[in-house]
Amino acid sequence: GAGVSQSPSNKVTEKGKDVELRCDPISGHTALYWYRQSLGQGLEFLIYFQGNSAPDKSGLPSDRFSAERTGGSVSTLTIQRTQQEDSAVYLCASKYREGRMYNEQFFGPGTRLTVL
Amino acid sequence: AQSVSQHNHHVILSEAASLELGCNYSYGGTVNLFWYVQYPGQHLQLLLKYFSGDPLVKGIKGFEAEFIKSKFSFNLRKPSVQWSDTAEYFCAVNAAPGGSYIPTFGRGTSLIVHP
Repeated sequence: GAGVSQSPSNKVTEKGKDVELRCDPISGHTALYWYRQSLGQGLEFLIYFQGNSAPDKSGLPSDRFSAERTGGSVSTLTIQRTQQEDSAVYLCASKYREGRMYNEQFFGPGTRLTVL
Repeated sequence: AQSVSQHNHHVILSEAASLELGCNYSYGGTVNLFWYVQYPGQHLQLLLKYFSGDPLVKGIKGFEAEFIKSKFSFNLRKPSVQWSDTAEYFCAVNAAPGGSYIPTFGRGTSLIVHP
């Protein structure tokens, strides 16, 4: 079946502009995660959804970052007033169900964001 | 809180060499452990996982990892690497109770295999 998809694959924007990144998880996966991958920094957790609610937003780096999920499916990560340090690859992952630790995450291809 | 350390950030090997990538975690309770791989230009995918039972776990493409609870380690191994194993490797841990169901990832190890 279809995997996790993300759009756009690449986004170049000017400093100060707002951007929206989209994630379509695997159908039926109730848990959804956003990570940020910077060169040499590994994966930085941003936010996690269980259904449409976000029990853990602890990783969001500032109030310029927000995310929502609707219909228990598509999620959008919004970055307002982008800064150059926001440049990174933003990864989305979904998992069948939270609370079962051994379930693996399935990752999307990521959105490469470049802020000029 | 759970954390993961990958001590080797960059590894360069020749084909047919043996590979061992270190992964240590800090958490005293029950853990589930994962290795993910990211080939150049591709998305992260699961290589193998441990959740219970035999501490020696076999994954895809000839990889294996051994969970040693006393050492808080989950090192990845492969007896003979191939050029196609060139990739970024990430160790991750889920921990409970008291930990987080959100997997914590290590910083990753970049492996380059020369033909």
